[in-house]
Amino acid sequence: NAGVTQTPKFRILKIGQSMTLQCTQDMNHNYMYWYRQDPGMGLKLIYYSVGAGITDKGEVPNGYNVSRSTTEDFPLRLELAAPSQTSVYFCASSQVGDSEQYFGPGTRLTVT
Amino acid sequence: AQSVTQLDSHVSVSEGTPVLLRCNYSSSYSPSLFWYVQHPNKGLQLLLKYTSAATLVKGINGFEAEFKKSETSFHLTKPSAHMSDAAEYFCVVSEGTGRRALTFGSGTRLQVQP
Repeated sequence: NAGVTQTPKFRILKIGQSMTLQCTQDMNHNYMYWYRQDPGMGLKLIYYSVGAGITDKGEVPNGYNVSRSTTEDFPLRLELAAPSQTSVYFCASSQVGDSEQYFGPGTRLTVT
Repeated sequence: AQSVTQLDSHVSVSEGTPVLLRCNYSSSYSPSLFWYVQHPNKGLQLLLKYTSAATLVKGINGFEAEFKKSETSFHLTKPSAHMSDAAEYFCVVSEGTGRRALTFGSGTRLQVQP
């Protein structure tokens, strides 16, 4: 039982490039989330999903897109990367909406 | 709207002394409250959670927290700090699902001196 896995662990992007951050969970959780964590700050919700085919915006969705074609996978797409997107990105999942969330190890992204 | 305030951005204690990390919350409903810990360059791990059962909640690694509705507080304590407790701690409130699922405090960095 791997829990929540994220790839890649680290990435450096040039301004204007695009990339997809991958997230997979093997706990059959319905809810999945993407957060970003800026230095010295708590986590801010980017997007979330309550099940396959259903996604919605969180607190800071601009510059990102998501899809949820399966229960297991919840990729985050960055289009036209900007320096403001330099951050650590965490994916999480939970069985029900207000229960404990299980977090992946994070992806450290630098945009230069 | 829900919010969380962690009153100290940084706390330093000596090994073997008590730990107190303070958290106040604001919520329109009866919230669920969590404490998560993040060790350097790691993901977040749940320490403990309050979900309207007992007001004194025991978690992993000897941590506990007390829910005080009258003070809107959920402070985290541990009787005796260990070097391995050095990490970032986040107080988190949940009012429901989706966008309101979890709202994070800004974190408290705990430093443990030998």
